Amino acid sequence: DTEVTQTPKHLVMGMTNKKSLKCEQHMGHRAMYWYKQKAKKPPELMFVYSYEKLSINESVPSRFSPECPNSSLLNLHLHALQPEDSALYLCASSQSIGLAVTYEQYFGPGTRLTVT
Amino acid sequence: GDSVTQMEGPVTLSEEAFLTINCTYTATGYPSLFWYVQYPGEGLQLLLKATKADDKGSNKGFEATYRKETTSFHLEKGSVQVSDSAVYFCALNNEGAAGNKLTFGGGTRVLVKP
Repeated sequence: DTEVTQTPKHLVMGMTNKKSLKCEQHMGHRAMYWYKQKAKKPPELMFVYSYEKLSINESVPSRFSPECPNSSLLNLHLHALQPEDSALYLCASSQSIGLAVTYEQYFGPGTRLTVT
Repeated sequence: GDSVTQMEGPVTLSEEAFLTINCTYTATGYPSLFWYVQYPGEGLQLLLKATKADDKGSNKGFEATYRKETTSFHLEKGSVQVSDSAVYFCALNNEGAAGNKLTFGGGTRVLVKP
């Protein structure tokens, strides 16, 4: 099973709202990722978690707050977003991360976020 | 730094036509190369991969060969179907990249008409 699930599929939120995106995988992967994808663009990496610890933050504004409660679950908490944050948010997972080895990433279907 | 360049789309084809999407890369070391496909309204799916020079990745009728001498990883399919209409992303993962980071090309939109 190479499935990564994401909920919700669609989300509309106001600029003063607080919401969360959820991502889950049951492949035993120890690395999980958040990406942001704008229309007609490739995904942009936001965060990388390895063994439930934040490994990389690509200078993402603090209104995006990731959380990895366990090895199967990854959340992205959203607060005080701007309309330009509207995008498709993709979660991915891989077996691990390592300096001398590459691991293929498996993506979820994404959450389509609209900020009004 | 690492980079991936893909031919710009959209590429419009008739059903059963031959598809080629060019992809070239710049990277130090020995990157792994990937093709991902994104169908309308969906996430990315790994289509195929190659981890070393001269490797050929293949899946669902698509093929790509890792050419180190030309730093290329062109995607081909001999006979496309309407269901192949999607955006295709070439990507590399350099073994030295922190966080297993993927470097994507800009994507190529393919539209197959019946």
